[in-house]
Amino acid sequence: GDSVTQMEGPVTLSEEAFLTINCTYTATGYPSLFWYVQYPGEGLQLLLKATKADDKGSNKGFEATYRKETTSFHLEKGSVQVSDSAVYFCALSDGSNQGGKLIFGQGTELSVKP
Amino acid sequence: GAGVSQSPSNKVTEKGKDVELRCDPISGHTALYWYRQSLGQGLEFLIYFQGNSAPDKSGLPSDRFSAERTGGSVSTLTIQRTQQEDSAVYLCASSLGQGGPQETQYFGPGTRLLVL
Repeated sequence: GDSVTQMEGPVTLSEEAFLTINCTYTATGYPSLFWYVQYPGEGLQLLLKATKADDKGSNKGFEATYRKETTSFHLEKGSVQVSDSAVYFCALSDGSNQGGKLIFGQGTELSVKP
Repeated sequence: GAGVSQSPSNKVTEKGKDVELRCDPISGHTALYWYRQSLGQGLEFLIYFQGNSAPDKSGLPSDRFSAERTGGSVSTLTIQRTQQEDSAVYLCASSLGQGGPQETQYFGPGTRLLVL
C-alpha cells in the first residue's frame, strides 16, 4: 500500500541555519503531496503542497519539489527562525479509489535555538 | 470564518466505557475525515465521509469504532468499550469535497482521549 517515510527527528538547528527534512513516498497512482506543520499547542495546518510531478510548493520561505523520478518531496528552508520550531509531517493523498484520505509520515520535530 | 471545531477538547474515561467525540466541519465543506494521532502509531486515517456517498471506513481499527454524519454536517465518532490503547488525540478535518485528492484538508484542534 501507499506509504510515506520521513527522516527521523528531533532536528536541532541554530537560527538562520539551512533546513532540509527528507521525505520519500510509495504510491501506486499519481498522488498529491503535502507538508503539514503542527506548532506547539496548535492544530495541524497545511504548509505547502504540490499536485503533479516537478511542481514546487512554497510558503513562508519553505519549499518542496515533487520529484517523481526519486519519489521524494523534501522540505527546505534557507534560513530558519525560532518561530519555525514545530513538528513537520509529510503526507500524500492518492485518491484513486478511496477519496482524499491522507497518509502521513511519522513526523519530524524541529527545534530552532537562538 | 470559523474553522473546524471539535468537542470535548479533553476526555478522560474508564476502560470499558463508551465515548462520543464530536466534529463540526467548516460550513459548506462536504468532505469530512477522522484521524488518530498516537505516540506509537503516528497519524492514522480512520474514516472519510463525502456528501451522501457511503463512508470509507477502511481505517477503523476495530468494530468498537463507528462514526456517523448527520445532515451532511456534524459528525460523531463513537468508541465502545474503550481500551487503554484507544488513548490518543482524535483529529477531524474537512475539505470542500469538489477537487479530488489535491484538496487541502483543514484540521480541528483535536480531542485528547485518555482511557484509564
